[in-house]
Amino acid sequence: GAVVSQHPSRVICKSGTSVKIECRSLDFQATTMFWYRQFPKQSLMLMATSNEGSKATYEQGVEKDKFLINHASLTLSTLTVTSAHPEDSSFYICSAPLGESQTYIQYFGAGTRLSVL
Amino acid sequence: DQQVKQNSPSLSVQEGRISILNCDYTNSMFDYFLWYKKYPAEGPTFLISISSIKDKNEDGRFTVFLNKSAKHLSLHIVPSQPGDSAVYFCAAIKFGNEKLTFGTGTRLTIIP
Repeated sequence: GAVVSQHPSRVICKSGTSVKIECRSLDFQATTMFWYRQFPKQSLMLMATSNEGSKATYEQGVEKDKFLINHASLTLSTLTVTSAHPEDSSFYICSAPLGESQTYIQYFGAGTRLSVL
Repeated sequence: DQQVKQNSPSLSVQEGRISILNCDYTNSMFDYFLWYKKYPAEGPTFLISISSIKDKNEDGRFTVFLNKSAKHLSLHIVPSQPGDSAVYFCAAIKFGNEKLTFGTGTRLTIIP
């Protein structure tokens, strides 16, 4: 079964609104989670690393004021797309490494399809 | 700079035959390589991994081969099944930096 839960799976919103996406680790603690974005027929691009208890680390070119990340607990990270515009429409996916012995294996949520009208 | 590359965007294979997906990388410092399978509108599913100190890892129908001198890895699926039709991503990671670097993906289609 799934070890990482992501919600919602699909969001359609008007331009200018903010959208929050949740990523939860199921039955394990994740001090680090990752947020990716995938454009059609392209690879997964890492947006940021979510760190429990500290600020997120953003990849070059990703606006931190646009994509707010909060790692509220050891099992929950949220990504808020603020003042969304049509160019923010994309597939957003989170991931978390399962455990200390295999931190190199990340397990992914089912993804969130964001459509901004 | 694309450190992990999958040069074949698509591959079609007859059911029952072997599927071979290829991946090249440029960074010799990667410690682990992974293969993920992804269906449309879903997150990637972990398939199999290999340490940089190994040259082969096998798990059921899936085998990953690593050629460090050529900076090349491949995923073999045998026998191929219709349910294997998906996009396959190779990824690499360096210890101390938990970030995965993904290739561009190869769409595998298994023909019944």
